[in-house]
Amino acid sequence: AQKVTQAQTEISVVEKEDVTLDCVYETRDTTYYLFWYKQPPSGELVFLIRRNSFDEQNEISGRYSWNFQKSTSSFNFTITASQVVDSAVYFCALILTLTGGGNKLTFGTGTQLKVEL
Amino acid sequence: NAGVTQTPKFRILKIGQSMTLQCTQDMNHNYMYWYRQDPGMGLKLIYYSVGAGITDKGEVPNGYNVSRSTTEDFPLRLELAAPSQTSVYFCASSRTGDRQETQYFGPGTRLLVL
Repeated sequence: AQKVTQAQTEISVVEKEDVTLDCVYETRDTTYYLFWYKQPPSGELVFLIRRNSFDEQNEISGRYSWNFQKSTSSFNFTITASQVVDSAVYFCALILTLTGGGNKLTFGTGTQLKVEL
Repeated sequence: NAGVTQTPKFRILKIGQSMTLQCTQDMNHNYMYWYRQDPGMGLKLIYYSVGAGITDKGEVPNGYNVSRSTTEDFPLRLELAAPSQTSVYFCASSRTGDRQETQYFGPGTRLLVL
């Protein structure tokens, strides 16, 4: 069975603070892919990053960075110098291949990030 | 490039009514998906399609039907709407069925069943 756990329901920070969103996953697959999506107040889902299980190099993209650790089954997301525009719900997801040939994203319950002035 | 579009954005239905949620993508993606998002939860897969004419059930298909007559369109039909179907519905597409393929989502349809 696959499962994604985002234990932090809501996080509030003051602008310019760094914030880390936690994601822990469970899977029996030896090769798998993890994703982060952002859902701003407008409601759409925006793809942020994809990471495969055989590449444990951490990644930085501007103010965003991701820390993937296979040993602890974690794929955490850090925003440096947070801004009000970062306020959103962030979802971590794990891909599962379906018997019919498609793929299903197994989502965590999301972390609501509020960045205040 | 519009990506994935969904209509309507919001709809109120009475119990027992039916409706079709429209989804269109212009990226020539073969794979399309319908998810629902209940308050405070992640998304759950309703139905998916691996190409025109081929559809299959996801984890929560009861009360829904789909069809895929073209590559671009993947409508979701609700028959006999129930309050439990109050949710936000997202359509997504991906170019292939490879696991590394990103699924791109539409803006969602908010449905309220009263």
